[in-house]
Amino acid sequence: QVQLVQSGAEVKKPGASVKVSCKASGYTFTGYYMHWVRQAPGQGLEWMGWINPNSGGTNYAQKFQGRVTMTRDTSINTAYMELNRLRSDDTALYYCARGGVGATGWFDPWGQGTLVTVSS
Amino acid sequence: SYELTQPPSVSVSPGQTASITCFGDKLGDKFACWYQQKPGQSPVLVIYQDTKRPSGIPERFSGSNSGNTATLTISGTQAMDEADYYCQAWDSSTPVVFGGGTKLTVL
Repeated sequence: QVQLVQSGAEVKKPGASVKVSCKASGYTFTGYYMHWVRQAPGQGLEWMGWINPNSGGTNYAQKFQGRVTMTRDTSINTAYMELNRLRSDDTALYYCARGGVGATGWFDPWGQGTLVTVSS
Repeated sequence: SYELTQPPSVSVSPGQTASITCFGDKLGDKFACWYQQKPGQSPVLVIYQDTKRPSGIPERFSGSNSGNTATLTISGTQAMDEADYYCQAWDSSTPVVFGGGTKLTVL
């Protein structure tokens, strides 16, 4: 079955960077876009951007441009999201989610989420 | 930027029909989908391309999208349907956008 398994929880200090991984299985990794979405405690869903695992092309939400980098390693079917210059309001659950064969569309399935806590 | 507006909360009695709305400018010209998120769990797709149900989603979940409003309807609502629901819209020119979410209470 299609499955996305993310890396474990992280605790970082303000100004640091975090890199979250998302390992895909059960489908052709390069055939579907991968999106990243975050959810602050008690808040709604916030889209961060996507990566095309086939080409490596990316598109980031304007809010995160300059601070986020999405990459992939096709040899191990894994996508990565790195967020730099962390602030306390970056504390959130970070999800990867499989998109469609194009850049737009619905997300299914989602990873289990990675909690990133930013605290001094 | 494009915005989607959902009511913060909806209440329904068990066995009744729950309707959760999602409002956006000319939303009917775009595609909409819906996610269910239970406490401590990841979102799950329940409706895509306005009206389609993924395999494994009960028939009591249905969707529509016309004009400025997309609607998620849950017929014969069960206690297990209590969750947060998020709409999402897209087209070729609209970046991914989510509604603010609706907490469905079954009481």
